Amino acid sequence: NAGVMQNPRHLVRRRGQEARLRCSPMKGHSHVYWYRQLPEEGLKFMVYLQKENIIDESGMPKERFSAEFPKEGPSILRIQQVVRGDSAAYFCASSPEGFNYGYTFGSGTRLTVV
Amino acid sequence: KQEVTQIPAALSVPEGENLVLNCSFTDSAIYNLQWFRQDPGKGLTSLLLIQSSQREQTSGRLNASLDKSSGRSTLYIAASQPGDSATYLCAVGTPGTYKYIFGTGTRLKVLA
Repeated sequence: NAGVMQNPRHLVRRRGQEARLRCSPMKGHSHVYWYRQLPEEGLKFMVYLQKENIIDESGMPKERFSAEFPKEGPSILRIQQVVRGDSAAYFCASSPEGFNYGYTFGSGTRLTVV
Repeated sequence: KQEVTQIPAALSVPEGENLVLNCSFTDSAIYNLQWFRQDPGKGLTSLLLIQSSQREQTSGRLNASLDKSSGRSTLYIAASQPGDSATYLCAVGTPGTYKYIFGTGTRLKVLA
């Protein structure tokens, strides 16, 4: 069981480019969550998805950010027209049906905007 | 709105000490509570998960307790080792949302 796989581990983008972060949940997990960790800050919830559905996107910035979890393939967090303030570590977690087993996190993608 | 606080923010102890990390939350209506460990530049590793109906959970040298009525959880680490040096995060599960609210963590350094 490979765990939650995130790639790339590190991503450098110039201001104005697009960033695509990928997350493959653990086998058997149908729920995916994205969190952002800004330097010297705690983890903040961004979005919760199930296959083909966004369940809760209350933590997503209104503009430039989107997320999807298609029927086939990994979940994608997409940031358009990146700015320096988007530089952060982005973590994906997954869980099986229900909330009883807590989260399993991936190793994160560290985005640097130059 | 649930708020989670962890005290102290940083802690430095000599090897072999028993220590307690604290986590406080403002809303006692929680689903469960999870303790994580984060090493610098790495992801989060789950340590212990306590359901709202439980009082404590143990794994090896780690013991986590939960007191919902007072809005507190503690993580007890016995016989600390340099390998325990990391940031410890407490996360409170919010009923009906599948969402965890995280504290800002306690940065632990165990000196050899």
